[in-house]
Amino acid sequence: DIVMTQSPDSLAVSLGERATINCTSSQSILYSSNNKNYLAWYQQKPGQPPKLLIYWASTRESGVPDRFSGSGSGTDFTLTVSSLQAEDVAVYYCQQYYNILTNFGGGTKVEIK
Amino acid sequence: EVQLVESGGGLIQPGGSLRLSCTASGFTVSSNYMNWVRQAPGKGLEWVSLIYSDGSVDYADSVKGRFTVSRDTSKNTIYLQMSSLRVEDTAVYYCARGSTSHHHKVLNFWGQGTLVTVSS
Repeated sequence: DIVMTQSPDSLAVSLGERATINCTSSQSILYSSNNKNYLAWYQQKPGQPPKLLIYWASTRESGVPDRFSGSGSGTDFTLTVSSLQAEDVAVYYCQQYYNILTNFGGGTKVEIK
Repeated sequence: EVQLVESGGGLIQPGGSLRLSCTASGFTVSSNYMNWVRQAPGKGLEWVSLIYSDGSVDYADSVKGRFTVSRDTSKNTIYLQMSSLRVEDTAVYYCARGSTSHHHKVLNFWGQGTLVTVSS
């Protein structure tokens, strides 16, 4: 099984500042045949279902603001919110879909400082 | 408009059975990859099962042999039959559509969820 580990568990960022969330997989999720990283990021606001933000580690889903960006390859990945807005308060999850059995990281809670 | 509506949750005793439903509108479930994902109270996300467009299925190890996913194309609905329920199955159960353009386990649309509470 691939274990997905997120850090930090929570962070508080001032409005307009950068928020950085890390996700590490226990083995590489880069598929060599297509050079794609099988990683997605989701945002879950209180009382709502998760929402897809990014897939293939760095491709933004349609309609997602460009202040959200994903980077990384192999086992180490980052979600960056370049300028935090009040509506970005949420829990963020990474997900690997490299394996037949997909799984998520433990989540990172982002709050306003 | 694309919509997923889950139903069937409730309070059930350990060892009992429950069937969840997820009715779709705006698209056809049999042409898509339909997943169940659960979230225990205050916890993270756990993928549970997937029914592929060809009808084949996958399950998380934690539910294999106890949960069964199926679909009714005439009702455009998928089901999660849960048996031998345990306290640790307590969670909000979400139905989520897998992307047909990215990857079938990239979940690009979610329902609002239904709460299952397993308790004596």
